[in-house]
Amino acid sequence: AQTVTQSQPEMSVQEAETVTLSCTYDTSESDYYLFWYKQPPSRQMILVIRQEAYKQQNATENRFSVNFQKAAKSFSLKISDSQLGDAAMYFCAYLSSGNTPLVFGKGTRLSVIA
Amino acid sequence: GAGVSQTPSNKVTEKGKYVELRCDPISGHTALYWYRQSLGQGPEFLIYFQGTGAADDSGLPNDRFFAVRPEGSVSTLKIQRTERGDSAVYLCASSHAASGPYEQYFGPGTRLTVT
Repeated sequence: AQTVTQSQPEMSVQEAETVTLSCTYDTSESDYYLFWYKQPPSRQMILVIRQEAYKQQNATENRFSVNFQKAAKSFSLKISDSQLGDAAMYFCAYLSSGNTPLVFGKGTRLSVIA
Repeated sequence: GAGVSQTPSNKVTEKGKYVELRCDPISGHTALYWYRQSLGQGPEFLIYFQGTGAADDSGLPNDRFFAVRPEGSVSTLKIQRTERGDSAVYLCASSHAASGPYEQYFGPGTRLTVT
């Protein structure tokens, strides 16, 4: 079974600075997808960014980018120019190919300091 | 268009009671998932529907939990003889094979509190 580990229960960052959230995973599959979801206090899970394992190029979405290291099974999220609205729980998630359930890490709570 | 909706938003019930939680997926989404999120944890898979049938119910913790999706759209998660340990946020998500890659869209969840 796949597992996802987020080793940072809490992180904080100054507004406008950069922060990196860590995620490692364990799998024997070669084809899969990785996601970062944001969950604000409203509880709504919002997709931040996704990465297909077969793509070597790291995904980027505006201020959000990932560092995907397939051999090391590492998938970190970098948030640049942090904003107050970035404060939330962030979950790393793994998806096997096809319509299968997501496997989530325990999350990292990000605080943004004005 | 409309996203995934869940009702009720919050539910408080007494130990031993029966509860139903409803999920309305995005129109046309064939896959529907239920997850449970306990305090301070990430969501954990409960059951997955493809159309009307449960494709994978391996995450249901015991036989007190049951879910249906009779017409391939709305789904109801049913919990019998609730226990205090059932208190959690229950999240529903839907996806479509045409959404690449299998992106799951989440509802706002139902917070269940068992007293």
